[in-house]
Amino acid sequence: DGGITQSPKYLFRKEGQNVTLSCEQNLNHDAMYWYRQDPGQGLRLIYYSQIVNDFQKGDIAEGYSVSREKKESFPLTVTSAQKNPTAFYLCASSLGPYNEQFFGPGTRLTVL
Amino acid sequence: RKEVEQDPGPFNVPEGATVAFNCTYSNSASQSFFWYRQDCRKEPKLLMSVYSSGNEDGRFTAQLNRASQYISLLIRDSKLSDSATYLCVVKSEGNNNDMRFGAGTRLTVKP
Repeated sequence: DGGITQSPKYLFRKEGQNVTLSCEQNLNHDAMYWYRQDPGQGLRLIYYSQIVNDFQKGDIAEGYSVSREKKESFPLTVTSAQKNPTAFYLCASSLGPYNEQFFGPGTRLTVL
Repeated sequence: RKEVEQDPGPFNVPEGATVAFNCTYSNSASQSFFWYRQDCRKEPKLLMSVYSSGNEDGRFTAQLNRASQYISLLIRDSKLSDSATYLCVVKSEGNNNDMRFGAGTRLTVKP
């Protein structure tokens, strides 16, 4: 089955801890993205990557970091510098920058 | 002003009803338009792209008005399974991070 997977589905973190969210795709897509979704708001772009070993900041990159060492994988680290990390995190991929984006099932992060 | 604005709803309609959602966007350079559907606590899924001439997919019709900078989604003969939040998405070509999402319009179809 081709698709995008994210893990874990639910994640709880104590304040001051870094945490890494996994995103894997086997669609052979070049572009990958990370968004966060908060209640009553549209998705906001955190980071995106158009190609392996390259990534760019989105609108709300502060407190987050990413890597793109493999085409299939685009992990997101939520650092302790992120002031309000509790949110629904969605990873997406697209064949190229002009194509539709397809989303993984999301990770719901709660900071205790 | 938000870049993509939608009426948050909720829209509560009976089965079989016709319902329409509008979405306005502020960037006149926007080139690509989409409607996504998002079920409660799930990821968004692509419903349909929106083409300049308008397009239809079964019970769903999407239209674009570039002059007024809005797009619409019409759902005919609503089903219970249509209950979801519908996200309007606008993209400017040539810039990978210019995919802008509306906050969504929530639809509940009741028996």
